[in-house]
Amino acid sequence: AQRVTQPEKLLSVFKGAPVELKCNYSYSGSPELFWYVQYSRQRLQLLLRHISRESIKGFTADLNKGETSFHLKKPFAQEEDSAMYYCALRDYNTDKLIFGTGTRLQVFP
Amino acid sequence: GAVVSQHPSWVICKSGTSVKIECRSLDFQATTMFWYRQFPKQSLMLMATSNEGSKATYEQGVEKDKFLINHASLTLSTLTVTSAHPEDSSFYICSASFVYEQYFGPGTRLTVT
Repeated sequence: AQRVTQPEKLLSVFKGAPVELKCNYSYSGSPELFWYVQYSRQRLQLLLRHISRESIKGFTADLNKGETSFHLKKPFAQEEDSAMYYCALRDYNTDKLIFGTGTRLQVFP
Repeated sequence: GAVVSQHPSWVICKSGTSVKIECRSLDFQATTMFWYRQFPKQSLMLMATSNEGSKATYEQGVEKDKFLINHASLTLSTLTVTSAHPEDSSFYICSASFVYEQYFGPGTRLTVT
């Protein structure tokens, strides 16, 4: 079954600390994975996608097919990174996005 | 570019009435739009896939007669919540697919009293 798992509901760190938001997936085939971010009272927006292999706002994520993971990392968290982060998997056949339950990141000053 | 709007952003209705929510792609054409529901502090739950010119495809457990979806043009999809009940109160979000990416609307908060 297709599934995206984000084990942490809440992750709290201090400014300048490293951050890792975990995401594991289950998908039969080659997955296409995304991280979306939702800042307070704003719409969901794409943060990054694994196929582009780019770094956005200092965040990176590497697809590990062996561990079926796509963890989101940032070496030095900033207060403005506080938001809800959703990992998502795209089903090629239907174009649907399958979302994880989300992780709230709180960065304290 | 690739902006999606929703109208209204917030609506209150009485139990038993119907409410229509619009989703528009402002600067691109979208053959496929998606409707999600989001409960407080929870993830997005896909309700249905809306394809221009054809019937919507509903996810398991979503009542198609209650949540009517119309994708009349390449820039507009509508979701009508019929005979609304308090349990339908939620945040409804649409997205539009463009170049293998989904762009999300700002959401519509529905409160049924």
